[in-house]
Amino acid sequence: GQQLNQSPQSMFIQEGEDVSMNCTSSSIFNTWLWYKQEPGEGPVLLIALYKAGELTSNGRLTAQFGITRKDSFLNISASIPSDVGIYFCAGLGNTGKLIFGQGTTLQVKP
Amino acid sequence: KAGVTQTPRYLIKTRGQQVTLSCSPISGHRSVSWYQQTPGQGLQFLFEYFSETQRNKGNFPGRFSGRQFSNSRSEMNVSTLELGDSALYLCASSVNRVGKSDTQYFGPGTRLTVL
Repeated sequence: GQQLNQSPQSMFIQEGEDVSMNCTSSSIFNTWLWYKQEPGEGPVLLIALYKAGELTSNGRLTAQFGITRKDSFLNISASIPSDVGIYFCAGLGNTGKLIFGQGTTLQVKP
Repeated sequence: KAGVTQTPRYLIKTRGQQVTLSCSPISGHRSVSWYQQTPGQGLQFLFEYFSETQRNKGNFPGRFSGRQFSNSRSEMNVSTLELGDSALYLCASSVNRVGKSDTQYFGPGTRLTVL
């Protein structure tokens, strides 16, 4: 079945540093979504990407839909302590099912 | 606009019991999907409902079932609970506009613990 490989699995960075994470798949997706989840809560949508090559920003967050439609990345610039959480990529393909990556756990040291 | 709501937030059951979880989607959203989240397996798709019909199904046993009502509210049921069913159960809703890729918005989840 469809699978997403998300990396890195975890990151421990200093406040103010930039962060980059990505997702790759052997399957093509029509939509890429990036979510953040904090303990005890559901995932919160950060950025949605609908077209190959699309580059979208949301404040300090920037995400891109890969040209091949098989990958996406998320960048966070100038990280702050409240960026801590688990970041998930998710792809929506022709099956109609949203497939999630394994998540990237981000820790920020003040 | 109110977000996706799920009730209850926390639940403790014993093996063999059954449980029903409820989800109210964002107003105007017609599609509701359910996911199971565990530390080992991550987020796994259970099923999706649209217009009171199950439109998509993941790879879970028949003990997991769901339904959707005419107001788009959805319930999922798990019968004969097993220890491995302990998880965070998440509901997500989307508008489901024809011809448009959909974005799913999640509720806070129901934390189910099976003892």
